[in-house]
Amino acid sequence: DIQMTQSPSTLSASVGDRVTITCRASQSISSWLAWYQQKPGKAPKLLIYKASSLESGVPSRFSGSGSGTEFTLTISSLQPDDFATYYCQQYNSYCTFGGGTKVEIK
Amino acid sequence: QLQLQESGPGLVKPSETLSLTCTVSGGSISSSSYYWGWIRQPPGKGLEWIGSIYYSGSTYYNPSLKSRVTISVDTSKNQFSLKLSSVTAADTAVYYCARNSNGFDYWGQGTLVTVSS
Repeated sequence: DIQMTQSPSTLSASVGDRVTITCRASQSISSWLAWYQQKPGKAPKLLIYKASSLESGVPSRFSGSGSGTEFTLTISSLQPDDFATYYCQQYNSYCTFGGGTKVEIK
Repeated sequence: QLQLQESGPGLVKPSETLSLTCTVSGGSISSSSYYWGWIRQPPGKGLEWIGSIYYSGSTYYNPSLKSRVTISVDTSKNQFSLKLSSVTAADTAVYYCARNSNGFDYWGQGTLVTVSS
């Protein structure tokens, strides 16, 4: 099984900050990685697929990079609507989600 | 606009079978481009993929749940369904259905299923 490890588990930041979340796979997954945003009581929302492709309608301040085993999600300038929990997910072999990163207000 | 809606009992007794249905509207479940999946989230915890199905009936399951999971599809009703057998309290979660493309791009709102006697 492919394990996905996200860091940090919690991140405190202010509006306007540049935020980076890391996701590591236990083995190479090429670029078969997605990122999601989830707010309390809501279903996750797809932000990024194939490691770096922005889903339609997602603001351009979100970007993804990486391949193989190391990936990052970057929010270039954190907005009030961005305080949420973020998950990575590999779909190279079955599907596995990371443990999540909660972005909190500093 | 594609919409997915989960339905089924919100309370299941231990050792029984959890059964949920996802109804797809605004698009055809028979599209050749997509699988359709189930994902769950225990209260206060992270996401766990359960399994996915193609309109032809081809399935793939999370190895950790495979022995207890059955996913089926009814193209005539534009629905797919989940059965999880021998449930315990650890299966208490919000269950989501979603379209499985590059990642999961459309999700239902989720339904809470509690396992309790």
